[in-house]
Amino acid sequence: QKEVEQDPGPLSVPEGAIVSLNCTYSNSAFQYFMWYRQYSRKGPELLMYTYSSGNKEDGRFTAQVDKSSKYISLFIRDSQPSDSATYLCAMSAPGGSYIPTFGRGTSLIVHP
Amino acid sequence: DTAVSQTPKYLVTQMGNDKSIKCEQNLGHDTMYWYKQDSKKFLKIMFSYNNKELIINETVPNRFSPKSPDKAHLNLHINSLELGDSAVYFCASGPPTGLKETQYFGPGTRLLVL
Repeated sequence: QKEVEQDPGPLSVPEGAIVSLNCTYSNSAFQYFMWYRQYSRKGPELLMYTYSSGNKEDGRFTAQVDKSSKYISLFIRDSQPSDSATYLCAMSAPGGSYIPTFGRGTSLIVHP
Repeated sequence: DTAVSQTPKYLVTQMGNDKSIKCEQNLGHDTMYWYKQDSKKFLKIMFSYNNKELIINETVPNRFSPKSPDKAHLNLHINSLELGDSAVYFCASGPPTGLKETQYFGPGTRLLVL
């Protein structure tokens, strides 16, 4: 079992839909949780950063962490075709090298 | 202004050749990284440098040698290229304070070994 599991998709939704992207993990030491967005043929870019449990909202994006279930989610409201990309979750433990462990990414397609 | 830049963007070469990829960041970060992303999109850390010093060297063949002439540059030299080296290589940098776990990625270098 990999440390971070993420369904590769693709996940195809109509424009305007609410999208839910998820990751599960096995290392209970993880405290820092990130979501990166990667457009085709580009490098990943940081979208959201959360420390420990709870929710964080930024515009149409909401990141949620449930440490008891070792489960994190990214919600996208009112999805747009420009949201079509691969979304990678990443997480790391404190006191380490600060290098996160990445999920393999979920490919999201938002069609008009 | 590009924050993390890599050259070349594409690299097609024959098995056995030696090639280099260059990376530069203008973010003032102390830490730089090389990642490899395979065809299944897994992003794996290869090396990490902090202020020109190697701090992480994952299980990478010694045909791969990073070089950091200064803290704004981290180049990757690959000797005796093999078919399995075909992948996208990303350079990244990270801030010295604050959100140290976050990474700023370059656009990637697509390497194809024939």
